[in-house]
Amino acid sequence: DAGVIQSPRHEVTEMGQEVTLRCKPISGHDYLFWYRQTMMRGLELLIYFNNNVPIDDSGMPEDRFSAKMPNASFSTLKIQPSEPRDSAVYFCASSLSLSGANVLTFGAGSRLTVL
Amino acid sequence: GQNIDQPTEMTATEGAIVQINCTYQTSGFNGLFWYQQHAGEAPTFLSYNVLDGLEEKGRFSSFLSRSKGYSYLLLKELQMKDSASYLCAVREGHQAGTALIFGKGTTLSVSS
Repeated sequence: DAGVIQSPRHEVTEMGQEVTLRCKPISGHDYLFWYRQTMMRGLELLIYFNNNVPIDDSGMPEDRFSAKMPNASFSTLKIQPSEPRDSAVYFCASSLSLSGANVLTFGAGSRLTVL
Repeated sequence: GQNIDQPTEMTATEGAIVQINCTYQTSGFNGLFWYQQHAGEAPTFLSYNVLDGLEEKGRFSSFLSRSKGYSYLLLKELQMKDSASYLCAVREGHQAGTALIFGKGTTLSVSS
């Protein structure tokens, strides 16, 4: 398996622009997670899905952020409009389940810079 | 709510032993994980504890005390490649079905 695949790896945009980050989870994994990592706040959970259904979006910062999972092999995280404080590395991760030793496998991350 | 505390930074020398502590206060507990993250890379899984005691895996060991809300990661025979951030993460809840909450990580620098 190629692992969790994220795109783009790097994005630089200007304030006010729309940003779309993409993720392909590991085939067969029922859970998909979006995390954001900054120096100040560490790795924060934004939202996670089970079988394509959003389960907990309490970590989504505000209405400018939205996430979708139209099918088992694809998810998007959208920021509209983007702001400089959204600059961070956004990680997508997937897992088989949330029980026992089932671990999260992370993608390589999308580094977002909003100018 | 949840609170996971780790030291921000630690330094050590090659060949030494280092212990990275993690304390947590969460509403329910369903497992504790340690992840390693090299600079510019994704976190990768190191260890998992759900019962009290020590889990050993090669040069790395992880300990858990649920009553104290405490865990540590022990790294032996340190190598330069162990320079990385080490993230403590807790799965909350009294049953399966909650996501991992991460601490801010401990940056370990190993020098020769």
